[in-house]
Amino acid sequence: EVKLLESGGGLVQPGGSMRLSCAASGFTFTDFYMNWIRQPAGKAPEWLGFIRNKANGYTTEYNPSVKGRFTISRDNTQNMLYLQMNTLRAEDTATYYCARKGRSGDYFDYWGQGVMVTVSS
Amino acid sequence: QITLTQQAESLWVSPGEKVSITCRASQSLLYTDGKHYLSWYQQRPGQTTKALIYHASIRTDGVPTRFIGSGSGTEFTLSIEDVQPEDIALYYCLQTLKKPWTFGGGTKLELK
Repeated sequence: EVKLLESGGGLVQPGGSMRLSCAASGFTFTDFYMNWIRQPAGKAPEWLGFIRNKANGYTTEYNPSVKGRFTISRDNTQNMLYLQMNTLRAEDTATYYCARKGRSGDYFDYWGQGVMVTVSS
Repeated sequence: QITLTQQAESLWVSPGEKVSITCRASQSLLYTDGKHYLSWYQQRPGQTTKALIYHASIRTDGVPTRFIGSGSGTEFTLSIEDVQPEDIALYYCLQTLKKPWTFGGGTKLELK
C-alpha cells in the first residue's frame, strides 16, 4: 500500500526557515518523481515543484512563486522527501502536501494527508 | 502560466442525479503526443486527496465508473452520474502541460 506521511510543520516567524519531511512507503521510491503542493485554508492547491526519479537524475523544477526560497531534496536510502523553506512569509501559511507523480501520466496519483505551516509573529 | 477556471464555486445536487463540473483552460492542453494534460481530484474532509481522472478521460485505479472525464482543447468536464452521498466533496482540475503546473479554483459539490 502506498503511503506518504508528512511531518515537520508548525509555527514559524516571518523570515524564518522550516524543513518539511515526507516519509514514503509501499513503492520503489527511486522510480518516481515526487512533488510538493500547498493549499492555504479555503483556497485552491498550488504546485510548488518536483524532484525527478533516478532515471532522470533526481533533478528539480520549481514554481517561480517559490524558486530561490524553497528547495526540494530526497534521501533515497531512507525513502524520504524534503522541502526546505527559507525566508518564510505570512503568505506561505498553508497545508503542505507531498504527492507522487503517476507512472503512466503527469498527474498526482497519491497524496499525503498534509502538514500545516503557519508563518506568524 | 496557464489559468484554469472552474466557473461554479458550488453545485447543489440530490443523490441519484447527474452533475457536471467544468474546467476551462486559458490555452489548449493538447500536447503533440495526442494527450490532454488535464486531471481531476477529489478532496473530502479527513481523507487524502484522491486522483479521479488523468489525461482528461482516463479513470485512475479503483475510481467508480460513475465518474466520467471528457473534453478537449480548452474545455473539460467531470461528470458524476448517479451521485452518491460520499461524492459530496471539493473537486479540482489540474493542468500539467506547462510549468508551473496549475490548479483550477475548485468546485464544491453540496447536497440539496
